[in-house]
Amino acid sequence: DAGITQSPRHKVTETGTPVTLRCHQTENHRYMYWYRQDPGHGLRLIHYSYGVKDTDKGEVSDGYSVSRSKTEDFLLTLESATSSQTSVYFCAIRASGEETGELFFGEGSRLTVL
Amino acid sequence: KQEVTQIPAALSVPEGENLVLNCSFTDSAIYNLQWFRQDPGKGLTSLLLIQSSQREQTSGRLNASLDKSSGRSTLYIAASQPGDSATYLCAVRGYNQGGKLIFGQGTELSVKP
Repeated sequence: DAGITQSPRHKVTETGTPVTLRCHQTENHRYMYWYRQDPGHGLRLIHYSYGVKDTDKGEVSDGYSVSRSKTEDFLLTLESATSSQTSVYFCAIRASGEETGELFFGEGSRLTVL
Repeated sequence: KQEVTQIPAALSVPEGENLVLNCSFTDSAIYNLQWFRQDPGKGLTSLLLIQSSQREQTSGRLNASLDKSSGRSTLYIAASQPGDSATYLCAVRGYNQGGKLIFGQGTELSVKP
């Protein structure tokens, strides 16, 4: 157990509303990631963070923003949700090792945008 | 661009059989390769991590090998059990992708009692 908690675990919202997903870790890891998982596309990186206030884009970052004001929390925000953002969102942390550390995942947040 | 392929996409075997799952990648400049298991509706569970300097890693009934030069990894599962039924994903972290993890599409394994 890598001490990762995602909230909410399930959310249904309407098109155009803002949504924030939270990832909380208890072990002070530097690197945190947000992925989305969709049938036919597998897992795709949205954004990642390499420290407090240090974030960068992944391959599918359009329509998403992130913030990391504390080591333990990494927030993913959909400013105006669209149906194409219906997905399962996973947070991950990288255990020790700049490039060689092992990745651990949270349980996921299932988002439905109507 | 790094591409990760897992074949087959699905596999069904009887209980007790030894089996091999395959993962191939196109760019051999990698830091490491990681195997995961995902149960339906759940997150990913890390099974094994192989660094680029290693040839294999073992954990219980699982053995993962890495041949960086040929761009291949295999996950060997000994004496399969119905509880092994899940989707297995491999992912590589490459030098040329800014250290990002690139995932394969997974192999869905079903072990029949």
